[in-house]
Amino acid sequence: QQQVKQSPQSLIVQKGGISIINCAYENTAFDYFPWYQQFPGKGPALLIAIRPDVSEKKEGRFTISFNKSAKQFSLHIMDSQPGDSATYFCAASLQETSGSRLTFGEGTQLTVNP
Amino acid sequence: NAGVTQTPKFQVLKTGQSMTLQCAQDMNHEYMSWYRQDPGMGLRLIHYSVGAGITDQGEVPNGYNVSRSTTEDFPLRLLSAAPSQTSVYFCASSYSREVLRDGYTFGSGTRLTVV
Repeated sequence: QQQVKQSPQSLIVQKGGISIINCAYENTAFDYFPWYQQFPGKGPALLIAIRPDVSEKKEGRFTISFNKSAKQFSLHIMDSQPGDSATYFCAASLQETSGSRLTFGEGTQLTVNP
Repeated sequence: NAGVTQTPKFQVLKTGQSMTLQCAQDMNHEYMSWYRQDPGMGLRLIHYSVGAGITDQGEVPNGYNVSRSTTEDFPLRLLSAAPSQTSVYFCASSYSREVLRDGYTFGSGTRLTVV
């Protein structure tokens, strides 16, 4: 039972383009939505996170858009660079449990061509 | 260097063998967890701990045991390895009150192959 569904599974973008990764969740009690970035041979690392009381959060070239009514959120990478090539995971959690049970999406392998 | 240290990085086991994957963190994090990563399935929670002496099951606990005798260490034990446990295993930790700001700190993973 996958509570967080992520798409697409893989994405190829040209340098300078916009990368968009989408996630949908089922549990309306989720209240913390992070995105993690993983490079080959490394563990995932927190990229950006959002709480459902805001509809958008931007950090540099990375933006999370959140649609509470649709139970969807997405990651936008503006001006994509070859160094952004990595696997991206969305996740969701309940803060009431100290953020202890992150549920991850399936992952998106992003390739940015030079 | 502060962080999460996992050992070994690579391991090949025969079916039925047992082993322990080690995880240690030096950040005084309360929360520690084990995930397995399989292609197309993301990261799935195996077991987690909210403090020394406290552990609980995650999404896929069968075939794995854990204990948390100290704040720093959270070993994962495979009692009788099966080919279905071939995966990349990640340990993660967090300071629960800062998880929104700092997220989880992941180790670099253990790639396990069961033949």
